[in-house]
Amino acid sequence: DIQMTQSPSSLSASVGDRVTITCQASQDISNYLNWYQQKPGKAPNLLIYDASNLKTGVPSRFSGSGSGTDFTFTISSLQPEDIATYYCQQYDNLPRTFGQGTKVEIK
Amino acid sequence: QVQLQESGPGLVKPSQTLSLTCTVSGGSISSGGYYWSWIRQHPGKGLEWIGYIYYSGTTYYNPSLKSRVTISVDTSKNQFSLKLSSVTAADTAVYYCAREVLAVADNWFDPWGQGTLVTVSS
Repeated sequence: DIQMTQSPSSLSASVGDRVTITCQASQDISNYLNWYQQKPGKAPNLLIYDASNLKTGVPSRFSGSGSGTDFTFTISSLQPEDIATYYCQQYDNLPRTFGQGTKVEIK
Repeated sequence: QVQLQESGPGLVKPSQTLSLTCTVSGGSISSGGYYWSWIRQHPGKGLEWIGYIYYSGTTYYNPSLKSRVTISVDTSKNQFSLKLSSVTAADTAVYYCAREVLAVADNWFDPWGQGTLVTVSS
């Protein structure tokens, strides 16, 4: 299985701050990576696919980059509604695997 | 737009079989281009992919669960189902059904069902 390692596991930032989450794959997955947002008590919601493509309707403050084994997810200006846990997920290989999640809180 | 809804018992006894159904509305499960998937989340933990089924009946299961998992599809009802046998407390989780979109070179899970909590307890 491809292991996905996210860091940090949690972070606290102020409204308006730039927030960055990293995701590292245990092997080269090209750009076959998605990012999801999960709010408490809700199902995950796709934000970014193919490492850097924003799903239609998702605010432009969210962005993703990277390829190979190292990926980055950024919120350019943190908003109160962005409080959630964020997961990366690889689709280069089966079984599909997710990172352990990064919980984002407001300071 | 396409919506998914899980249904099934919220409480299962140890050693029994967990059975859940996902009903798809707003689109046909037979339209192709999608894997119909099950994913679970242990309380307070991350996401674990269980497996998928294609409308034709082709399946793929996570090797970690393969010996206990069966996913089936009923195209006439626009539903797909999960059976997990010989459950233990370690199978207590929120179970999600999700559609994996098969784009030209990319895949993603969208949409997801709301999730259903299944507790394994006597």
